[in-house]
Amino acid sequence: DQQVKQNSPSLSVQEGRISILNCDYTNSMFDYFLWYKKYPAEGPTFLISISSIKDKNEDGRFTVFLNKSAKHLSLHIVPSQPGDSAVYFCAARFAGGTSYGKLTFGQGTILTVHP
Amino acid sequence: GAGVSQSPRYKVAKRGQDVALRCDPISGHVSLFWYQQALGQGPEFLTYFQNEAQLDKSGLPSDRFFAERPEGSVSTLKIQRTQQEDSAVYLCASSLVGLGSNSPLHFGNGTRLTVT
Repeated sequence: DQQVKQNSPSLSVQEGRISILNCDYTNSMFDYFLWYKKYPAEGPTFLISISSIKDKNEDGRFTVFLNKSAKHLSLHIVPSQPGDSAVYFCAARFAGGTSYGKLTFGQGTILTVHP
Repeated sequence: GAGVSQSPRYKVAKRGQDVALRCDPISGHVSLFWYQQALGQGPEFLTYFQNEAQLDKSGLPSDRFFAERPEGSVSTLKIQRTQQEDSAVYLCASSLVGLGSNSPLHFGNGTRLTVT
């Protein structure tokens, strides 16, 4: 039962253009959403997050949009740079219980930005 | 300062052997998580510590998996009688504060376990 889904395994974008990575979730108990970026042989690094009470959060070239009614979030990277090439994971935090803070991850999307 | 440190980086074990994976979290971080990442998948939650207390072990796949954090700092994930399906990258993550915070997780580079 995949509660967080990233349906696009890969995305290829030209340098300078917009990259849009998508994520869908099923559990309405998720209260916080995060994007992590991962380079080969390294652990995931935190990129940007959004609370379920907001619909947009922006940090430099990165913007995350949340559509709660559709249970959908997206990460926009503008402009895309070759150094952005990595695997991007969407993650959701489950509210309540004794692991407030444990994350459920999607399968990841490989982003390739071509010079 | 130093990030989350995991050792060894790579471990090859024969089926049936026991292994121990170590995690040194960022100094002062209260929360510590272990995740398992299979090839081509996202990380999956295994267990969570707040200081030395193991508050959630619901993700441990079997009773062959055991984790401890006796002094609230370094943690060890032990896998007994390893099986081929245990082959994965094991990620440790820590965060500054505990329950109810939005403090992001800081991940180590993982230990890649291969069971032959």
